[in-house]
Amino acid sequence: NAGVTQTPKFQVLKTGQSMTLQCAQDMNHEYMSWYRQDPGMGLRLIHYSVGAGITDQGEVPNGYNVSRSTTEDFPLRLLSAAPSQTSVYFCASRRTSGMGGDTGELFFGEGSRLTVL
Amino acid sequence: AQTVTQSQPEMSVQEAETVTLSCTYDTSESDYYLFWYKQPPSRQMILVIRQEAYKQQNATENRFSVNFQKAAKSFSLKISDSQLGDAAMYFCALSRGNNDMRFGAGTRLTVKP
Repeated sequence: NAGVTQTPKFQVLKTGQSMTLQCAQDMNHEYMSWYRQDPGMGLRLIHYSVGAGITDQGEVPNGYNVSRSTTEDFPLRLLSAAPSQTSVYFCASRRTSGMGGDTGELFFGEGSRLTVL
Repeated sequence: AQTVTQSQPEMSVQEAETVTLSCTYDTSESDYYLFWYKQPPSRQMILVIRQEAYKQQNATENRFSVNFQKAAKSFSLKISDSQLGDAAMYFCALSRGNNDMRFGAGTRLTVKP
């Protein structure tokens, strides 16, 4: 049972480069999200999706792009990386319907550490 | 707006002793969920305990229990019989069941042998 899988685990970019963080879940969860974790600030929501074809902005969306073409995948794109985007990124999913209903619990991937030089 | 505040950036406890981590929050909603997540050095976010706001009974999971004071908007985590494996960053989180879970800044717990 893989749960939420993120790749890559580590990445170093130069300012202005683009990249995509991949996220896949095998739990058939409707809701998926991306958070960034910075020291002293906890986790902040970047973007989220409540189902295939539906995305919305979170607390800190600037500089990031997302799409949700399937239930399983929710990639996060950095179009032109900036040093301020140096962070640890977490993908998380949540079941919102079905047996047991929505408990509000987020299931997290292992995180991706991104450094922008 | 909903906010979560953890006023203790760092805490330490002696092995086998008890420690309490503090969390306060603010929300205008009456129905919501509260969580404590643990993040060990591996970076993995692990759910420790969950509390539904409409339930008056405090949640308990083995050595972990909470003191949920809804009127005071307080949600502290008590760890009994602390073990070396409890050393981690602990995050308090608030969710209204919509699409935005808010996290506190975290408390780093050190367990001394």
